[in-house]
Amino acid sequence: NAGVTQTPKFQVLKTGQSMTLQCAQDMNHEYMSWYRQDPGMGLRLIHYSVGAGITDQGEVPNGYNVSRSTTEDFPLRLLSAAPSQTSVYFCASSYSISGGYYEQYFGPGTRLTVT
Amino acid sequence: LAKTTQPISMDSYEGQEVNITCSHNNIATNDYITWYQQFPSQGPRFIIQGYKTKVTNEVASLFIPADRKSSTLSLPRVSLSDTAVYYCLVGELSRDDKIIFGKGTRLHILP
Repeated sequence: NAGVTQTPKFQVLKTGQSMTLQCAQDMNHEYMSWYRQDPGMGLRLIHYSVGAGITDQGEVPNGYNVSRSTTEDFPLRLLSAAPSQTSVYFCASSYSISGGYYEQYFGPGTRLTVT
Repeated sequence: LAKTTQPISMDSYEGQEVNITCSHNNIATNDYITWYQQFPSQGPRFIIQGYKTKVTNEVASLFIPADRKSSTLSLPRVSLSDTAVYYCLVGELSRDDKIIFGKGTRLHILP
């Protein structure tokens, strides 16, 4: 299994440009999520999905869109990039088992710089 | 997820046992306690999860007292490579869709 993959690894955007960060997992996990991590800070949840066709907002959703058309893929779209969105973006996936047990698997991250 | 409180940072020396305590006073009956480790420039990695008493794996031990209002992650005989940020999360995925990370504990191992 490849686990959780993210592309690209690095990206530089100009203010106002749009782009899509790709995330895919091959573990048939129902739950997927996107986090951003600013330098020296913890992770902040952007959007998440509990299954194909279902998405919801996390802590910091403004400026980002997501969709979940398949179980495997969960792309994150930046609508109009701003310097405040310079960050490292992590995608994660998890299976959901009744009783509360879960373990999130994280991708390697995408380092985004907006100038 | 239940709110958690953990120290912002800790220092220790190689070969020592390190204990990181997490407070979660409003833990719910069905909540599990999960710890993640994050090295610089990498995504977090699951370390250990437990519900009550003690859980041990090849990496760490997790001690949970009977009232479950706190938990302690124990790392035996740490090395420089254990320098990382450690996050404590409390919740139940089937109920709490939002998996929120706090700021974590920045552990620095000294030679």
